[in-house]
Amino acid sequence: GAVVSQHPSWVICKSGTSVKIECRSLDFQATTMFWYRQFPKQSLMLMATSNEGSKATYEQGVEKDKFLINHASLTLSTLTVTSAHPEDSSFYICSAPTGSVGGALGGNEQFFGPGTRLTVL
Amino acid sequence: GEDVEQSLFLSVREGDSSVINCTYTDSSPTYLYWYKQEPGAGLQLLTYIFSNMDMKQDQRLTVLLNKKDKHLSLRIADTQTGDSAIYFCADTLGSYQKVTFGTGTKLQVIP
Repeated sequence: GAVVSQHPSWVICKSGTSVKIECRSLDFQATTMFWYRQFPKQSLMLMATSNEGSKATYEQGVEKDKFLINHASLTLSTLTVTSAHPEDSSFYICSAPTGSVGGALGGNEQFFGPGTRLTVL
Repeated sequence: GEDVEQSLFLSVREGDSSVINCTYTDSSPTYLYWYKQEPGAGLQLLTYIFSNMDMKQDQRLTVLLNKKDKHLSLRIADTQTGDSAIYFCADTLGSYQKVTFGTGTKLQVIP
């Protein structure tokens, strides 16, 4: 089946540094990817929609200058947390609709990456 | 905006059935999903139901959809300790659209 990977799995960084998280679709092309954030014991909240070849669409309340998204190819989207602070510590998960690879559900099925746990000291 | 609500916690004994409930506000989602998340892990799609269906059964899992009440439920038959996890219901309005997640229900299975 379709696979989405994320790198790194976890990262610890100092306050004020920037962290880049990669999301890759391993066996299918994804013109659209989604970035979610999950705080401890909470649900996943959509941060932004990443579109290959164009600007990302951010959800209300998400700072686009702080969370930079680059969807440079059909298999890779990156999320950069700039000048990270402790309140940015969270579990970041990406997903991609699988299109025809997803079988019967087509674009209605999304595969999720395993997530990246970010801890900002 | 869209909203998906779930009860926070459910505790059942091993071998019993579990029923996790969810309500949504989207006017016409196309698909509704149930995801499982184990501690420290990503999401696993358990099952889904298309909006024109009322029920779907998949081995131990039964999904019921009441569109009138905007209510979705997941029944797990013969619940096992390995079923202990957080379960999220979710919906989408269409192909390649974002998925809106519920608040999550933590299922605890007592041996």
